Amino acid sequence: DAGVTQSPTHLIKTRGQHVTLRCSPISGHKSVSWYQQVLGQGPQFIFQYYEKEERGRGNFPDRFSARQFPNYSSELNVNALLLGDSALYLCASSSPGTGHEPQHFGDGTRLSIL
Amino acid sequence: AQSVTQLGSHVSVSEGALVLLRCNYSSSVPPYLFWYVQYPNQGLQLLLKYTTGATLVKGINGFEAEFKKSETSFHLTKPSAHMSDAAEYFCAVSNYFGNEKLTFGTGTRLTIIP
Repeated sequence: DAGVTQSPTHLIKTRGQHVTLRCSPISGHKSVSWYQQVLGQGPQFIFQYYEKEERGRGNFPDRFSARQFPNYSSELNVNALLLGDSALYLCASSSPGTGHEPQHFGDGTRLSIL
Repeated sequence: AQSVTQLGSHVSVSEGALVLLRCNYSSSVPPYLFWYVQYPNQGLQLLLKYTTGATLVKGINGFEAEFKKSETSFHLTKPSAHMSDAAEYFCAVSNYFGNEKLTFGTGTRLTIIP
């Protein structure tokens, strides 16, 4: 079975631009979470969506938004990009969540801001 | 609130030697604990998890970890290191409050010396 897939794999943008990252969860998984991993650090939680509803939000500015579609795929949108947004963005999916179901991660989208 | 501390950002061991990666957590409620491994230019792969029950947890690739509530620790061990174990290792904690937010440590880079 296919794992979590993310697109694109790499992206280069300039400051002030907008970006959309996409994620397809493992078949049957209804929960999708997004994380930001800055070089040399652990991933930081951005959002979780379950059944198309936002279930959790991390400490990120309103420039970050996300949504989940009826097929459980998800998009992460970032507006007014800053140099500090350069990072690896990871998507993770899990089966209906109770907190102890492991999250399965994609290989991420590496976003570089010039 | 929850947090994770990984002692030692870099650990080097000889091939065939014991691997010990340290993780201490802080959580106001019973935690769920995870170890993930990240190879270069890849996402995170689950090694093992602790939710409830047996405190000694066995994972993939010969790794295991022991949950010690009294020490708030969840250290990762492997009896005999292999060259393929060279990677970044992340300890993470979560609990169930309606979302599955994972809080990660800063990671430990494991180097294997031939």
